[in-house]
Amino acid sequence: DAGVIQSPRHEVTEMGQEVTLRCKPISGHNSLFWYRQTMMRGLELLIYFNNNVPIDDSGMPEDRFSAKMPNASFSTLKIQPSEPRDSAVYFCASSLYQPQHFGDGTRLSIL
Amino acid sequence: DQQVKQNSPSLSVQEGRISILNCDYTNSMFDYFLWYKKYPAEGPTFLISISSIKDKNEDGRFTVFLNKSAKHLSLHIVPSQPGDSAVYFCAASARDGNQFYFGTGTSLTVIP
Repeated sequence: DAGVIQSPRHEVTEMGQEVTLRCKPISGHNSLFWYRQTMMRGLELLIYFNNNVPIDDSGMPEDRFSAKMPNASFSTLKIQPSEPRDSAVYFCASSLYQPQHFGDGTRLSIL
Repeated sequence: DQQVKQNSPSLSVQEGRISILNCDYTNSMFDYFLWYKKYPAEGPTFLISISSIKDKNEDGRFTVFLNKSAKHLSLHIVPSQPGDSAVYFCAASARDGNQFYFGTGTSLTVIP
């Protein structure tokens, strides 16, 4: 069975550029989560969707961050414009009930 | 403010001995708890869970203990093996929750 698939695995870009992270959840899962991992705060929930509808985006740090889930098999997290402090590992997870299943993450570096 | 805290960033244990990883939480509404294990360059993988109606759950070498009055849970690994070396995250959610709150993780090193 394919797990949660994230792309790209690594992204290095310059400050001010738009960054788009992609996620394909496990087929049949109805909830999708975007997390950011930092040393100081661990895994922070940014936003989660249930049946493609955003339920809680209170963790999105600023208006520069946006997320969409146009269908049950695809989601994007966009940062525009990007800043060096956005550098982190971003994880996508999906679930049908519990537990959540995580992708291998996107390591983002903003120069 | 962190609602789930793992106060030990790292832990080293000899192979064959017991590893004890600790986690504290502040929200009394939390009633479901999980431990995840994470290897470098991979996503976290689910390890074991416990609901608030229990105080212990065991799965092979892994046991999770929950002390609701102290708002504390711990993960015991016995015996520890070098392959257990990883970062362990504690997570908690409330009764109606899809949303989990994660700790900052504890990096476990099992020394052969």
